Amino acid sequence: AQSVTQLGSHVSVSEGALVLLRCNYSSSVPPYLFWYVQYPNQGLQLLLKYTSAATLVKGINGFEAEFKKSETSFHLTKPSAHMRDAAEYFCAVSAYSGGGADGLTFGKGTHLIIQP
Amino acid sequence: DVKVTQSSRYLVKRTGEKVFLECVQDMDHENMFWYRQDPGLGLRLIYFSYDVKMKEKGDIPEGYSVSREKKERFSLILESASTNQTSMYLCATPGKGEGELFFGEGSRLTVL
Repeated sequence: AQSVTQLGSHVSVSEGALVLLRCNYSSSVPPYLFWYVQYPNQGLQLLLKYTSAATLVKGINGFEAEFKKSETSFHLTKPSAHMRDAAEYFCAVSAYSGGGADGLTFGKGTHLIIQP
Repeated sequence: DVKVTQSSRYLVKRTGEKVFLECVQDMDHENMFWYRQDPGLGLRLIYFSYDVKMKEKGDIPEGYSVSREKKERFSLILESASTNQTSMYLCATPGKGEGELFFGEGSRLTVL
């Protein structure tokens, strides 16, 4: 079974500051890891994914994440926050490719607030 | 691009009503999923289907059923809606990539 823990239900940063959203996972097999973003009243959009290739993964909108097996972590970062980054962010894990037989397991989400 | 279309963005129903939430995907994929999203709880899997007329319970199936008569369509059914089913419901299907799911815009249901 897999599980995901996102540290911090709300994170507030100033515009232009570093964004760091934390995600730790538990998986009995090599995981596939994902970060999604959700803007108000919209569905989830894939930001980036780790599928056992490079451990540093670059995504859309300037975000990146690093897979650290020893720490069972997949933290999301962006060097300089922009007002448009304000949204809900979800980390997710799957033990299978192709969305798996049983989908993705999601964390509880982190609401990112950008202060002007 | 993958397109997942949820027919109703916003619904308001009364306790005890039967509710249908419909989802259509254009990826011709066997797998489809229904999630429920609540603040502070993230997304929780209600049901999924891996083929026409096949279904599997997810983590929170109580009070819900599903129907998959055609490959592209997956319906979530609330036989008798209750106020604790007020939530955002998200449908998803895998793309041709490696593991990710593609989501519809969501159906926000309010049960009075």
